[in-house]
Amino acid sequence: GAGVSQSPSNKVTEKGKDVELRCDPISGHTALYWYRQSLGQGLEFLIYFQGNSAPDKSGLPSDRFSAERTGGSVSTLTIQRTQQEDSAVYLCASSRDVETQYFGPGTRLLVL
Amino acid sequence: GESVGLHLPTLSVQEGDNSIINCAYSNSASDYFIWYKQESGKGPQFIIDIRSNMDKRQGQRVTVLLNKTVKHLSLQIAATQPGDSAVYFCAEPRQNFVFGPGTRLSVLP
Repeated sequence: GAGVSQSPSNKVTEKGKDVELRCDPISGHTALYWYRQSLGQGLEFLIYFQGNSAPDKSGLPSDRFSAERTGGSVSTLTIQRTQQEDSAVYLCASSRDVETQYFGPGTRLLVL
Repeated sequence: GESVGLHLPTLSVQEGDNSIINCAYSNSASDYFIWYKQESGKGPQFIIDIRSNMDKRQGQRVTVLLNKTVKHLSLQIAATQPGDSAVYFCAEPRQNFVFGPGTRLSVLP
């Protein structure tokens, strides 16, 4: 079956521009996660959606970052006024429960 | 907490040898663990999991050992192959959303 998909796979933007990253979770998965991964480093948690509950936004690094999940399925991570330090791979994962997370291929963001 | 920001620990093994990758955790209440494999340019992939009521679990060429006394788990890969080259992470999905930097496994021909 289809796994988690993310788009775009690569994004190059100029400092100060806004970007939107999309995640399509596995059908039926109620939980959705966003992570950031800088080069050679581990995963940094950003935000977690579970069903209709209020999202856990505790990992968002600044108010320039926001995310929404429409209809309990597709999610969009928005970064406003991008900075060079925002350059990283943004990974989305989904799960049926709070256990095994299935990851997408990621979006590689480069802010010039 | 986890140590993000440090250089990735690396492990180099000869093709055909066994590999052992280690992971320590801090929360004694942790009762479920997952090992992920991340190949270059891809997202992490589930390899194997283990619950705290087990000390050992085996998959295909992989074995995970859990030592709750010292809060340590290891991933053993038998007869390591070039396709095993990747970064390996352990995770405690129920306790937090923190993943460590992982260990980079390089398989030498």
